[in-house]
Amino acid sequence: QKEVEQNSGPLSVPEGAIASLNCTYSDRGSQSFFWYRQYSGKSPELIMSIYSNGDKEDGRFTAQLNKASQYVSLLIRDSQPSDSATYLCAATEGGSGNTGKLIFGQGTTLQVKP
Amino acid sequence: GAVVSQHPSWVICKSGTSVKIECRSLDFQATTMFWYRQFPKQSLMLMATSNEGSKATYEQGVEKDKFLINHASLTLSTLTVTSAHPEDSSFYICSARSIGGGYEQYFGPGTRLTVT
Repeated sequence: QKEVEQNSGPLSVPEGAIASLNCTYSDRGSQSFFWYRQYSGKSPELIMSIYSNGDKEDGRFTAQLNKASQYVSLLIRDSQPSDSATYLCAATEGGSGNTGKLIFGQGTTLQVKP
Repeated sequence: GAVVSQHPSWVICKSGTSVKIECRSLDFQATTMFWYRQFPKQSLMLMATSNEGSKATYEQGVEKDKFLINHASLTLSTLTVTSAHPEDSSFYICSARSIGGGYEQYFGPGTRLTVT
């Protein structure tokens, strides 16, 4: 079964610290990876996408991908209370052709304490 | 850019009635649209994938006669929950993938369905 695994948390960090969120995926055919943020009662919002090994930075967010280890991470620098949310890791399902189905992890709840 | 809308945002209906939910991509054309449902404190569950002009592909365990999907154009997909029952109460969310884009899915705001 193709899976994306995340630690459900909660991960608690103080305001201003770096939050590190991790996920692993089982499908070696996955090529594209995404991080979504979901506030309670709201729908997911895309915050990062990454396609090749290495780091990708966008503002306070850095996504890291290691395809050999089947590992994806998200670093949030200078964490703010407004970053408190559930973060969903997603990977394209290998062999899904042109539809681009995503496999979602269960999500990690991040709490940033003032 | 990449805005997806859903209507209605919430709906309450009586058991046995049908409810239609609309999903529109407002500033892009969507090659594929996806329908998810999410129960409280659980992750997203993909219900079906639809492409404009073709029949939707349903995930295992999802009743296609109960959850009717119509993808009428490159910017509009609808989900109709037929003969709704209380166990169908959930948060229904659509997403869309842009023509010419990558595999990013952009989510609508969701529709909260309560069946009484």
